[in-house]
Amino acid sequence: AQSVAQPEDQVNVAEGNPLTVKCTYSVSGNPYLFWYVQYPNRGLQFLLKYITGDNLVKGSYGFEAEFNKSQTSFHLKKPSALVSDSALYFCAVRDVRTGGFKTIFGAGTRLFVKA
Amino acid sequence: DTAVSQTPKYLVTQMGNDKSIKCEQNLGHDTMYWYKQDSKKFLKIMFSYNNKELIINETVPNRFSPKSPDKAHLNLHINSLELGDSAVYFCASSERGGGAADTQYFGPGTRLTVL
Repeated sequence: AQSVAQPEDQVNVAEGNPLTVKCTYSVSGNPYLFWYVQYPNRGLQFLLKYITGDNLVKGSYGFEAEFNKSQTSFHLKKPSALVSDSALYFCAVRDVRTGGFKTIFGAGTRLFVKA
Repeated sequence: DTAVSQTPKYLVTQMGNDKSIKCEQNLGHDTMYWYKQDSKKFLKIMFSYNNKELIINETVPNRFSPKSPDKAHLNLHINSLELGDSAVYFCASSERGGGAADTQYFGPGTRLTVL
């Protein structure tokens, strides 16, 4: 079955420190992986995606993610966290068995950056 | 210009009532979606439409009836509202049908409260 797991409900980090938000996946076939961010009372915004190619994907707002096929992981990272990065982060995978019409989201990880 | 818009933003109603949520995208996308986000922020797909055609119906009760008058609009009508329908409903769109690599663009959400 296609699935995505975000093992941490919350990640706390001090401003200026590096941050990592973890995601592991289980898919049959090639994975199409996404990260989205949700600020309070807002819709989801796209951050980055892995389709193919380089394992390190760069995205919006200084975020990047590393695709690791052997560990089936797609962790989100940022070298230096900002207070404004505090939000809810979702990892997602496209279910290609449905022709890409269905996206499965992880449960979300709340990132809290302390000043 | 807002890419994906939803109305209303808030909806408070009594159990047993019927209500509709409207969604419009001005991105020229072929595919539109409805998602439900529950109180624990878990996000689950409800429906996918491609060029006005229903593609995915993710075991949603038939009290929920989506309608797509054209590919820029996907409305959600809910009959006989129940307490468990209280949630935030997000509309989204993506460029192509079957585009597994395509980014989804989300609306701002409609917070439905059933009393």
